[in-house]
Amino acid sequence: EPEVTQTPSHQVTQMGQEVILRCVPISNHLYFYWYRQILGQKVEFLVSFYNNEISEKSEIFDDQFSVERPDGSNFTLKIRSTKLEDSAMYFCASSAQGQSSGNTIYFGEGSWLTVV
Amino acid sequence: AQSVAQPEDQVNVAEGNPLTVKCTYSVSGNPYLFWYVQYPNRGLQFLLKYITGDNLVKGSYGFEAEFNKSQTSFHLKKPSALVSDSALYFCAVVTQTGANNLFFGTGTRLTVIP
Repeated sequence: EPEVTQTPSHQVTQMGQEVILRCVPISNHLYFYWYRQILGQKVEFLVSFYNNEISEKSEIFDDQFSVERPDGSNFTLKIRSTKLEDSAMYFCASSAQGQSSGNTIYFGEGSWLTVV
Repeated sequence: AQSVAQPEDQVNVAEGNPLTVKCTYSVSGNPYLFWYVQYPNRGLQFLLKYITGDNLVKGSYGFEAEFNKSQTSFHLKKPSALVSDSALYFCAVVTQTGANNLFFGTGTRLTVIP
């Protein structure tokens, strides 16, 4: 069964450093997403991406964050100048069509980011 | 604005007994409703969704959920719980005319006691 894959599974970084989280969405999907889950809290939407541009973003997704689809298969989340409060599980997800059509979003297993 | 409430942080049920995990929602338009499960140190796995049609939807691993528009609820159910069902369950909503993303509840930890 096709799945969303994410790397790394866990990354520890020093405060102020930049991190890049990588994702390979399901191959025939057109919409890509990043969500995050701070330990013990609910899953929060960060950004959605379609047709090589951001389609929506939340208040969390400020100038510290950026996304890119550098090639035909990868989808990345870059976090600049990491802060302690960026420590969280970051989930990549994809869907065949947009959520306004009720399409299912499929999630990867997540990348644990620990900022020290 | 849309919101999802999962009123129970923790649900305990004996193995073999029926289980219910509650979810209520508040949206401005017609909702699309989803249930996801998260096993320890794993990602979110899709269980089932309601889009339209029959109010009772069936999903993976024997789970089902009933959409109740008048009560704005979408409770997750299973007739006979397994120890392996122990996990964190998330209800989520999208509206047809709302933001193009899932809005999650706070999650309910289900523990099935052998």
